Amino acid sequence: GDSVTQMEGPVTLSEEAFLTINCTYTATGYPSLFWYVQYPGEGLQLLLKATKADDKGSNKGFEATYRKETTSFHLEKGSVQVSDSAVYFCALSDPSNYQLIWGAGTKLIIKP
Amino acid sequence: SQTIHQWPATLVQPVGSPLSLECTVEGTSNPNLYWYRQAAGRGLQLLFYSVGIGQISSEVPQNLSASRPQDRQFILSSKKLLLSDSGFYLCAWLNLRRLSGANVLTFGAGSRLTVL
Repeated sequence: GDSVTQMEGPVTLSEEAFLTINCTYTATGYPSLFWYVQYPGEGLQLLLKATKADDKGSNKGFEATYRKETTSFHLEKGSVQVSDSAVYFCALSDPSNYQLIWGAGTKLIIKP
Repeated sequence: SQTIHQWPATLVQPVGSPLSLECTVEGTSNPNLYWYRQAAGRGLQLLFYSVGIGQISSEVPQNLSASRPQDRQFILSSKKLLLSDSGFYLCAWLNLRRLSGANVLTFGAGSRLTVL
């Protein structure tokens, strides 16, 4: 079945460092891919998405490119801030149903 | 605009007591509704989803149940809580009319349950 694998956390960086959180997937169809963010004590929010190969999703300085050849959707940001500290979830949705397949989440800690 | 409300935000319950968490959606009709659980330091576990009034699909057999008495209301219940039921419960909705090629879920703020 479909699955999503994220790098394990926590990931600890200093402010203004470059961020990459790896996400790879397996899917039989042509899924849409998502990154959600969960700030401490809150629900999840959609951060960005991509619906087809080579699409780039971007929001709040974060970017991720849908790479079909490597089945990846890595999250990147050029210069992180303390306020980016959160848990980041990678997910895919199969267009044939209404379920999302979730990665385990990666906790990001940014130190000033 | 669409909004989603969950309550209570936090609760502490003794083992063996009942549970009722409520979720309502405003500004949309006929949404797909979901209950997820997030144990401490863990990922998301889909518990139930509903595609319409009275229609509930269970993903994980356990002592929890869900009901959808109205189009925009989704309730998570238990008759007797276990210690392992502690966690952060998240309600989410998906509006089928706005798929636009991607199934985007919108989440509530969550309900943190501690069972002692």
